[in-house]
Amino acid sequence: DTGVSQDPRHKITKRGQNVTFRCDPISEHNRLYWYRQTLGQGPEFLTYFQNEAQLEKSRLLSDRFSAERPKGSFSTLEIQRTEQGDSAMYLCASSLTSGSDTQYFGPGTRLTVL
Amino acid sequence: DQQVKQNSPSLSVQEGRISILNCDYTNSMFDYFLWYKKYPAEGPTFLISISSIKDKNEDGRFTVFLNKSAKHLSLHIVPSQPGDSAVYFCAASDADSGNTPLVFGKGTRLSVIA
Repeated sequence: DTGVSQDPRHKITKRGQNVTFRCDPISEHNRLYWYRQTLGQGPEFLTYFQNEAQLEKSRLLSDRFSAERPKGSFSTLEIQRTEQGDSAMYLCASSLTSGSDTQYFGPGTRLTVL
Repeated sequence: DQQVKQNSPSLSVQEGRISILNCDYTNSMFDYFLWYKKYPAEGPTFLISISSIKDKNEDGRFTVFLNKSAKHLSLHIVPSQPGDSAVYFCAASDADSGNTPLVFGKGTRLSVIA
């Protein structure tokens, strides 16, 4: 059973560096979501795709953040010029489009910015 | 401004008894609600959902109740088991399904004591 996978699981970087995370959704799922979770909070929506089209971006997604899903399969989330406030768990989820299907989450990538 | 509120950060219950987790929301546009469970170092796992056209949905030991007029929902777990110990998140969508961006509460940590 191949669920949602994320790579890397942990990333430690210095302030000002760029980082990129990858998400591989469940194979038949055409919607892919990115969320961010900080300590003591629930996941907060960042952006989502249907196939390769980016449908919505949260105001939380500053200009330093960019997400892509070039072939409608895996997705990458890049953070440029990282800041200490970017330290969080970055969660990816995927779902089908139709019906009342739910979102299935990956294990997350924990980012620590020193 | 929190649109989904889980006002109890933690809850302790004896094994075999009922666990009741509560969630309130402020956005009257929310039409679909979900509960997720999260273990440490894992992504959230879907538990159960309910559409706003219903007031109850049951799946095994888990039942979700929705009171639209009060903008309140609750998750009942009967009987509670030690393996249920986790953080539980309430989430909401303004669509009639769970495959759109979700708004999460801050979570309630449930401890089931043997």
